[in-house]
Amino acid sequence: GAGVSQSPSNKVTEKGKDVELRCDPISGHTALYWYRQSLGQGLEFLIYFQGNSAPDKSGLPSDRFSAERTGGSVSTLTIQRTQQEDSAVYLCASSSRGRSGNTIYFGEGSWLTVV
Amino acid sequence: GQQLNQSPQSMFIQEGEDVSMNCTSSSIFNTWLWYKQDPGEGPVLLIALYKAGELTSNGRLTAQFGITRKDSFLNISASIPSDVGIYFCAGPHLINAGGTSYGKLTFGQGTILTVHP
Repeated sequence: GAGVSQSPSNKVTEKGKDVELRCDPISGHTALYWYRQSLGQGLEFLIYFQGNSAPDKSGLPSDRFSAERTGGSVSTLTIQRTQQEDSAVYLCASSSRGRSGNTIYFGEGSWLTVV
Repeated sequence: GQQLNQSPQSMFIQEGEDVSMNCTSSSIFNTWLWYKQDPGEGPVLLIALYKAGELTSNGRLTAQFGITRKDSFLNISASIPSDVGIYFCAGPHLINAGGTSYGKLTFGQGTILTVHP
């Protein structure tokens, strides 16, 4: 597609359930990022994939969070045993390599509410 | 880790007024980026600054990269209602002395802009 596509756009889940959020980056972009935005807050880095390199997972808040990127394209962010503090907008972004890679393009986000 | 302090947190202005917001850091950044986030959407890049002292314009928007490399400001002239949104400054996370991890951005807390017609 023309932009970064995320699904679902909205998800309400019960505390303790697992959720999966999907990101389809811009075609040809080798880098993919996940960020989290809590209400009224800035964007918090979660994880970064670049090509076939090992992902930078330094931003994942706990071992309940994990992410995969299959075939260098689509990525799935999984949150296990969700907690209420996990409620946030989860934003995916992608970029091409090089200096212009500073231009990262965001999806519209997946709004997660844990009740 | 690196942190960006953005101010003001919110602004309420009348249509036609000019707006100024800024971002400061305790650490040096090699790049400063300014994003705008409309309600219900992801952030969109407005302006990218790559050199200390650089002044760049994009329509009614002007941004400057501070010469100390620890600050940046964004100005919006003659504001209009569609300028409403959250404005974020951001800088790439430095992972070593000379390297830059592109895309692993540190974001400011955001400035919420409200424009009254």
